[in-house]
Order: sequence, then C-alpha cells, then structure tokens
Amino acid sequence: LAKTTQPISMDSYEGQEVNITCSHNNIATNDYITWYQQFPSQGPRFIIQGYKTKVTNEVASLFIPADRKSSTLSLPRVSLSDTAVYYCLVAPLGGSTLGRLYFGRGTQLTVWP
Amino acid sequence: GAVVSQHPSWVICKSGTSVKIECRSLDFQATTMFWYRQFPKQSLMLMATSNEGSKATYEQGVEKDKFLINHASLTLSTLTVTSAHPEDSSFYICSALTTGIAEAFFGQGTRLTVV
Repeated sequence: LAKTTQPISMDSYEGQEVNITCSHNNIATNDYITWYQQFPSQGPRFIIQGYKTKVTNEVASLFIPADRKSSTLSLPRVSLSDTAVYYCLVAPLGGSTLGRLYFGRGTQLTVWP
Repeated sequence: GAVVSQHPSWVICKSGTSVKIECRSLDFQATTMFWYRQFPKQSLMLMATSNEGSKATYEQGVEKDKFLINHASLTLSTLTVTSAHPEDSSFYICSALTTGIAEAFFGQGTRLTVV
C-alpha cells in the first residue's frame, strides 16, 4: 500500500481558502486518492475522491498532478465548522482490499474566527 | 448517503467483563464490514474485516480471541471485546461496503471506557 505524508497541522481563518497537500510517491496505477474528514468522537466522513487531474464537488476540490505523486485538497472559504482532522488515503477501488483503509496521521485543520 | 449506525455510542464497563458493540447498515445491505480502533490523538487503525456468513479476517497484531466479530446478517456486525482491560479503552468505529459502490460508509463510533 502506498504511504501518504501530510502536514500534521494547519491553521486558517474563516473565509480563507485552505489547501492541504498529501504526498504519495509510491502510488500504484490502480490506486485512487480519497480524502476523509473526522470531527472529534465521530466516524470519518467521505469528502472527495479522484484518480487524476481535478475533481470538484459541493464541498471541496481535489487537484492531482499528472505524475499522481501528490494531491491537494482545496477547501474554499472555510468556516469554524471545518475544524477537523483531514485524512488522505490511497487505495485501489476494487479487488479483495476494497474498503480496507489504512489511515495515516492526518492533518488537524484549525479554523480561527 | 448510506447510513451506518453503531450502538451504543458510549459504554463503561468493569475490567474483566465483556462488552458488545453493534454496527448496523440502516438502508443498505453490507457485503463487508470493517472494524477500526482509534486511541486519543491517534489515527484509525484497521482491526478486522468481516463478511456476512464467514469468519472475520484480522489484521496483524489483533487478537482474534479477544475481539470477537460476528457478521450474522447483511445489515449487522458485532464486535465483542472479551475480558476487557483498561488498555482496551478506545474509540471503536465500524464501516460498511455495499455492492456496486466503492465507498465505505462509517458509523459514528463507540467510546469504550474500561474501569
């Protein structure tokens, strides 16, 4: 499984755009990149998933360069409620390992008023 | 999105007793369910994978006799922590997969405190 590296923590202010970058140098051809959000004492929540280039949904955007060795989660205009831990995961979307997720340390994002 | 519910949300038990945690998929059939453990300020650690009607597959280092997993139906998996000790105090989280959707849906977690 590809190992991921993220900053341990980030700080931002309300209304700013936040970009969290994840490195995954050993990503395999059939691996997808998925980001999860976790609030204290809650289970993780799916944010976004992509394979290459750019993916956007109502919550965030995910930028993946051509070599796929890194990815950037972009949160537009964050609010206090975006304070959470964000996890970047790399895993295949099929096969016997589907659903078996190995979480790294994640990035603690703190949004200040 | 699909809903996965855990029960109880929190539980306190005495050292040496066993405690059961339920994980239910409320609006879909879960072909596979997963159990994670999370200690304070740490990341989630995958403990085991369970498929309906078959034995669970445990990750390396996880004691299968201590953490009993039963996946008796397509909507319910249970994790029983046997002979619990204070070091088993943790946040236990389940997730579930359904056919055709490559996304695991997580429960809200269960806080176990062993005193």
